Amino acid sequence: GENVEQHPSTLSVQEGDSAVIKCTYSDSASNYFPWYKQELGKRPQLIIDIRSNVGEKKDQRIAVTLNKTAKHFSLHITETQPEDSAVYFCAASIDTGFQKLVFGTGTRLLVSP
Amino acid sequence: NAGVMQNPRHLVRRRGQEARLRCSPMKGHSHVYWYRQLPEEGLKFMVYLQKENIIDESGMPKERFSAEFPKEGPSILRIQQVVRGDSAAYFCASSPGTATNYGYTFGSGTRLTVV
Repeated sequence: GENVEQHPSTLSVQEGDSAVIKCTYSDSASNYFPWYKQELGKRPQLIIDIRSNVGEKKDQRIAVTLNKTAKHFSLHITETQPEDSAVYFCAASIDTGFQKLVFGTGTRLLVSP
Repeated sequence: NAGVMQNPRHLVRRRGQEARLRCSPMKGHSHVYWYRQLPEEGLKFMVYLQKENIIDESGMPKERFSAEFPKEGPSILRIQQVVRGDSAAYFCASSPGTATNYGYTFGSGTRLTVV
């Protein structure tokens, strides 16, 4: 089955710096890659997603890139702010007729003022 | 649109008791997914249901766990004879269809603590 690895497990940056979180997946049939942000004690919230027919997607300060050949995808956050501090999860899904997301283990991002 | 509603938000059970977790999908959504998040870990798929049908339960532990999504009412995740290792956050998500055109919308979760 699909396996998703995520790095780093923790990431500390200064406010205004960029942050990059990387994920790799094992199943080349995966075709949907969402990213979720989870604040302490709250539900995971979808922040951006990308499909396998697209190489890059951007939404304001957040961007995601996908390299299907290498089977890895990355989340880029520019001009980080303290409110970006949270745990970020990547996930991958194979379209087997329904969405069955396999999540990475999470990256705890800390943005210091 | 009230979003995906889960209750209770927090549930404390003694070992051996039963836990019932409820999930009401977003209006118009007929597909429900349950995920479990152990402390300091990512979410793990448990089960996918449509109205009155379990479509995929490959992530469900073989014993003590069951799920249903009746024609009327919320989806229920039931854990019998709970043990300490069942302590986790249980999240439900819903979607209007099966295609990967929709991002999951998770509910706020039920945090189960087994004492």
